[in-house]
Amino acid sequence: EPEVTQTPSHQVTQMGQEVILRCVPISNHLYFYWYRQILGQKVEFLVSFYNNEISEKSEIFDDQFSVERPDGSNFTLKIRSTKLEDSAMYFCASSEFGQSTYNSPLHFGNGTRLTVT
Amino acid sequence: AQRVTQPEKLLSVFKGAPVELKCNYSYSGSPELFWYVQYSRQRLQLLLRHISRESIKGFTADLNKGETSFHLKKPFAQEEDSAMYYCALKRTYNTDKLIFGTGTRLQVFP
Repeated sequence: EPEVTQTPSHQVTQMGQEVILRCVPISNHLYFYWYRQILGQKVEFLVSFYNNEISEKSEIFDDQFSVERPDGSNFTLKIRSTKLEDSAMYFCASSEFGQSTYNSPLHFGNGTRLTVT
Repeated sequence: AQRVTQPEKLLSVFKGAPVELKCNYSYSGSPELFWYVQYSRQRLQLLLRHISRESIKGFTADLNKGETSFHLKKPFAQEEDSAMYYCALKRTYNTDKLIFGTGTRLQVFP
């Protein structure tokens, strides 16, 4: 069964450094997402991406964050200047259609644990 | 603002006992509700959504708009049901964003 893959599984970075989290969504999926989960807290929506542009973003997704689909397979999340509070598990997800379509569930990756020191 | 509340962080039952994982939501419109599950060392995956009205792995969930609840139930828990369960909500229009609860860890003892 096809899966969303994320690399790396764990990333340690120093405060102020740029970090890029990588994701390969399922190949026939059209909608891509990033969610994050700070330890002990809820899974939070960051951004959705469709047709090569951001379709929705949360208030967390400020100017320090950006997403890109540089080629036909990868979907990346960049944090320009990391802060301590960016430490979290970052989940990439994809879906064949939008979430209003019946039977178009989110398929999540295993996550990248980002630790900012 | 939309919110999902899962009041229990941990629910422990013995195999064969009934299970009810609680989920309450706040949203003034008509929501779409989902249950996602994460088994140990596996990825988060969809368990069921209210619109499908189906039973998956013996689990059911009914949307109760009067009580703004979407509790997940199973009459006889199995050890393999042990996992983290997340309730999630989506507005019915103009968004693909899911709002998750904090999750409930279900432990089923033999």
